[in-house]
Formats: sequence, structure tokens, C-alpha cells
Amino acid sequence: DVVMTQSPLSLPVTLGQPASISCRSSQSLVSSDGNTYLNWFQQRPGQSPRRLIYKVFNRDSGVPDRFSGSGSGTDFTLKISRVEAEDVGVYYCMQGTHWPWTFGHGTKVEIK
Amino acid sequence: QVQLQQSGPGLVKPSQTLSLTCAISGDSVSSNSAAWTWIRQSPSRGLEWLGRTYYRSKWYNDYAVSVKGRIAINPDTSKNQFSLQLNSVTPEDTAVYYCARGSFPAATGPNFDYWGQGTLVTVSS
Repeated sequence: DVVMTQSPLSLPVTLGQPASISCRSSQSLVSSDGNTYLNWFQQRPGQSPRRLIYKVFNRDSGVPDRFSGSGSGTDFTLKISRVEAEDVGVYYCMQGTHWPWTFGHGTKVEIK
Repeated sequence: QVQLQQSGPGLVKPSQTLSLTCAISGDSVSSNSAAWTWIRQSPSRGLEWLGRTYYRSKWYNDYAVSVKGRIAINPDTSKNQFSLQLNSVTPEDTAVYYCARGSFPAATGPNFDYWGQGTLVTVSS
């Protein structure tokens, strides 16, 4: 299975400041169809996860533009330009290129 | 609007069987475009995909290697739901268990777009 490695595991951030989460895959996530199926999920406290970003950099409907995704091949990044209180939670990267789909261990974003 | 409602016990004894059910509304367990999935979450493993059942002219199942041989995911078309059974549980199986709908729209790629509310299952005597 493809191993997804996230860092850091914990990320204390000051409100209004940027945050950045890294995700590395053990294999290239470029699919045979040319797409890179790398998603980012957000899980707020007490809630189920929801997808924020698909195919590396595309925001899902309703996701604020302070969230952005980037990267290619095996290295990917989720950035929050200015952290707000509602962004507290755990963020997971997930690859959907290779079966089975696999998740990173998660990065906990908390307010300092 | 698709909704998934989980039910089942929150405490299971070691060596026994964990059983959970996920009732579907707003979609069909026999859908030709969905995969009905179980995922668990624990501090040690994060989100872990366990397996799925799906219908594409006939029923299919896929299971994670980590639980293969101990797991069964079965559809119930009469009740529009699907279930998880995990045998011979140990304390390592303690986790929050989620059911979810897996999908793969061409435009946006793979997703788990609807989730159950989650069930904390503790394995303890």
C-alpha cells in the first residue's frame, strides 16, 4: 500500500497567521490517466471528515479561498493563508491513485 | 441529501465480534456508482480504510490486508443498509468506526463524500 507521511503531527498557530502542512507519498501519485489524485480532508472536533481539496489544488464547493493545495509527484502541501478559529481540527491527506486509497496520519491544527 | 446512520454496541469483549450497521437514506445500497465503505480512526493509526461493498451488476467486496480474514461487509437490500463484522477483536481494534459512501466522479476524482456519525468501539473485558 502507498504510505502517506504527514508533517508536522501537531501545529499550534496564532489566529490570523499562516499554516502549512506537508504530505509525502511513498510512490508517485500521477495516475495513468494523467491526473494526480491527492485530496485533503478536514475533521473538526466532534465531526466526520470532509474533503477540502481534490486533485492537488482544486477546492471543493464552499471551501474558503484561504485554503490552497499545491505539489506534484510525491510531495504535496496544504496551506491556510490566515488561520481562523473554525479551522481548528485534524487535517488528512489522502491518495486515490493507487488501490487501496490511503490516508496520512493527520496533522492537528490548534490555536496557540 | 444522502444520510448515513450508524448503530451498534460501543463495547466489545476481546476475542468476540464487533458488529455495526449503517442505514442509508437518499441513495441505494445497490447504486451502480457508489461503494459503501467502513473506515476507522484511532490515535495510533489515524484514518484507516477497512473495506467496502459495491454493486456493479453483481456484488463485490474489497478488504484491507490488515484485517483480511477477520472482516465481512455485507449489504442488506431489503433494509437499504450495510454492515461490518470484525471477528476476534483485540484492544488494538479500539477506534471510532465510520461508514462512508465512496465515489469516483470523473471531474473531481475519488472521495468519501458522505459519512456516518461515527461509533466509538472499545474492546475491553
